[in-house]
Amino acid sequence: DAKTTQPPSMDCAEGRAANLPCNHSTISGNEYVYWYRQIHSQGPQYIIHGLKNNETNEMASLIITEDRKSSTLILPHATLRDTAVYYCIVKTSYNTDKLIFGTGTRLQVFP
Amino acid sequence: GAVVSQHPSRVICKSGTSVKIECRSLDFQATTMFWYRQFPKQSLMLMATSNEGSKATYEQGVEKDKFLINHASLTLSTLTVTSAHPEDSSFYICSARIGAGANVLTFGAGSRLTVL
Repeated sequence: DAKTTQPPSMDCAEGRAANLPCNHSTISGNEYVYWYRQIHSQGPQYIIHGLKNNETNEMASLIITEDRKSSTLILPHATLRDTAVYYCIVKTSYNTDKLIFGTGTRLQVFP
Repeated sequence: GAVVSQHPSRVICKSGTSVKIECRSLDFQATTMFWYRQFPKQSLMLMATSNEGSKATYEQGVEKDKFLINHASLTLSTLTVTSAHPEDSSFYICSARIGAGANVLTFGAGSRLTVL
């Protein structure tokens, strides 16, 4: 699986957009970008995933660069409950592939 | 939505005893479940892949005789930590794949094991 690089921590004011970057310069053509988050002492939560097109759902937007070497997860209006560790993971959609977590970005949303 | 339930959420046991953690898919069938372990301030580490009706597949460095995994039905996988020691104290989390295709996992809330 391709490795990802994320900043260890970020801050964001409540109500503002949180933009979390992820570099995945060695991503393969059949690998997706997945985002999960883990709120303290809970199990991870799926957020969004994409292959090459930008994606949006009720939780977030995912912007993938044209060369697919990086992406940004956008939380449009961060709330205090969005404080969590966010993990960017690249892998294929094959069921045999395992979800391997890196170190993620710790997002702190402040009032 | 798809829900994975873990039980117990917290367990304290004495060194040398065995502890069983259950992972259930509540509203869907899961032929494959995954077990992770997380130490404080660290990321999740995949321990093993649990396959319904067959033996689990363990990641390198994970002792299969110590962490017994049973996946006897399409909705239940269990992790038994045998002869637990204080260094086994950790946060254990299970997950299951939601449907086919996209390889998205839904996770349980986790089970915190403390071995005295």
